[in-house]
Formats: sequence, structure tokens, C-alpha cells
Amino acid sequence: DTGVSQDPRHKITKRGQNVTFRCDPISEHNRLYWYRQTLGQGPEFLTYFQNEAQLEKSRLLSDRFSAERPKGSFSTLEIQRTEQGDSAMYLCASSSPGEGYTFGSGTRLTVV
Amino acid sequence: AQKVTQAQTEISVVEKEDVTLDCVYETRDTTYYLFWYKQPPSGELVFLIRRNSFDEQNEISGRYSWNFQKSTSSFNFTITASQVVDSAVYFCALSEAIGGANNLFFGTGTRLTVIP
Repeated sequence: DTGVSQDPRHKITKRGQNVTFRCDPISEHNRLYWYRQTLGQGPEFLTYFQNEAQLEKSRLLSDRFSAERPKGSFSTLEIQRTEQGDSAMYLCASSSPGEGYTFGSGTRLTVV
Repeated sequence: AQKVTQAQTEISVVEKEDVTLDCVYETRDTTYYLFWYKQPPSGELVFLIRRNSFDEQNEISGRYSWNFQKSTSSFNFTITASQVVDSAVYFCALSEAIGGANNLFFGTGTRLTVIP
């Protein structure tokens, strides 16, 4: 297992376009998290899955954001009608109960 | 509500100096975990340590050591004999241990620059 993979590493999009990011967690981890990190800040929690169930969403996750984990394995995060304020690093992490979190390298989104 | 404060925004040291990164946390939970992560320029968050709230023993791992003091709600991180490769942003984080998402609450990070 090569850890948590995120794709793409970088995404530049025009304001108003939709974007989708993918996260492949460590295979035996049943918990998956999405975080957002803006420049000069620590990562902020967006949402959490246990297997395929989305159990918690932050208030940061506006209705333009949607996340799925259809088979309890990989997850996607979609942002509709992107705004410049969405520019950030989007980080995915996975874990199992009682274990630490392993983060991916992130997807850096730039909205122009 | 949980909160993590890293008052030092940026620190610069000369190679081989020791450096301590401060972390102060707030939580109403009696059971929680504390973490330190390193974020090099590549962007990936690298796990350094996890400590639960019932274990106040200090820990040493090579040049790294951690001082957990519940009485002052602090979890400080010391790098001994710093090296250029230690240059990165370091984040302290807190998570609840019981129930819920157990998601991490991060501080704003301390940028460490080690000058050769």
C-alpha cells in the first residue's frame, strides 16, 4: 500500500466551473476525511466518512460542495460553480479506529 | 469547543541549534489526543507523534522530543541539533477520543527555517 493518493495534484479552473477531486485512502482504513487548507492556516475539517456513510459535515461545506464515497473505498469531492474563495489545498486523510491519520499530498486548487 | 494555539508564527535558527515549538490547547473533553505534523514545501502532512490525554510521559525520538503538561494544557515540541531538512511548517492538532468523527483541530502552524 502506497499511502493516501490524491488526484490531481494541481487544478486551475475558471470561476464558475465545476471541479472534482479524487482520494484513494489506505485500503484497510474505514475512515476518510476531507480537509481544506488556505495559505498560512492550518487544515480545517470539511467532512468525514465511515465506510460509505457520510457521518459529519462542517459548516464550511456549503451547498456547492458535495462528497461521496460510493463503495467505501475511494472518495470524490466536487465543487460546483467555483469561486475565487475556493482556492486552497484540499487534503484527504484516512484512519482506522485507534490509529493515527495518514494524509495525502493534497490537491491545490486555483480559481482564476 | 476545541482550540489549538501556536503563538510562534515563524522561527529561524542556525543549524545545530535547539529549537522548541509551543502548542497550547483548549478542550472540555477529559479524553483526547494530541498530534504534531510536519508539512514540508511539498505539501504533504507528515505524522510525527500522537499522545493521549492520559499519558503525560515525555517522549524522545532521535532528535525530537515532546513535553506534554496537562496542568498548563501544553504540548511542546523540541528539535535538538536542528538540521536544514527540519525546515518546514509544523502543526499541532487535537482530536476528541470518544464518539463523533474524531476529526483533527489544527493550530495555525509554526514555520521553522534552519539556516545552514
